Amino acid sequence: NAGVTQTPKFHILKIGQSMTLQCTQDMNHNYMYWYRQDPGMGLKLIYYSVGAGITDKGEVPNGYNVSRSTTEDFPLRLELAAPSQTSVYFCASSMQENTEAFFGQGTRLTVV
Amino acid sequence: GQNIDQPTEMTATEGAIVQINCTYQTSGFNGLFWYQQHAGEAPTFLSYNVLDGLEEKGRFSSFLSRSKGYSYLLLKELQMKDSASYLCAVRDGDYKLSFGAGTTVTVRA
Repeated sequence: NAGVTQTPKFHILKIGQSMTLQCTQDMNHNYMYWYRQDPGMGLKLIYYSVGAGITDKGEVPNGYNVSRSTTEDFPLRLELAAPSQTSVYFCASSMQENTEAFFGQGTRLTVV
Repeated sequence: GQNIDQPTEMTATEGAIVQINCTYQTSGFNGLFWYQQHAGEAPTFLSYNVLDGLEEKGRFSSFLSRSKGYSYLLLKELQMKDSASYLCAVRDGDYKLSFGAGTTVTVRA
């Protein structure tokens, strides 16, 4: 049972570089979410998707982009990384609006 | 936007009961969730409420009042392993799932 898989688990990025955080789920879930969590803080929604081909902004979308070309995959792209994007990134998915979201194990990203 | 408020920290003794309150203001409502998160780990699901009332699941119960925009999570017979952050999350009318800042619960022996 893979569930929600995020790669990489850790990464160090230089200021101005770009990278894609990968998220894939094998549960055929319609809803997928990207969050960031800064130390000692709650989860802030970056982007979400209610199905393949549909994406919407969350609370903190600036500096990020997403795509949802398949049901399984929901990659998060960072363009021109900044130190303020140092955080733990969590991807989550849920089947429907009235079911719980399952989380991946997170990607710990440091921008230096 | 969404406003989800919960206390920052709570401390309780092993075997006691703790109640974590959550108030929210959202555009539309499609359910309220409680998650547990241990340090350095991903959140794990505890409970879901979409109708008013109490949902009980073993030592954990969650209550919802939609008219008051209010929920609480009740943890009974506290154990040391219950020391964690507890996150209140609300799904709004656009199906955004937003989280509060979390309540850190410390259980003392």
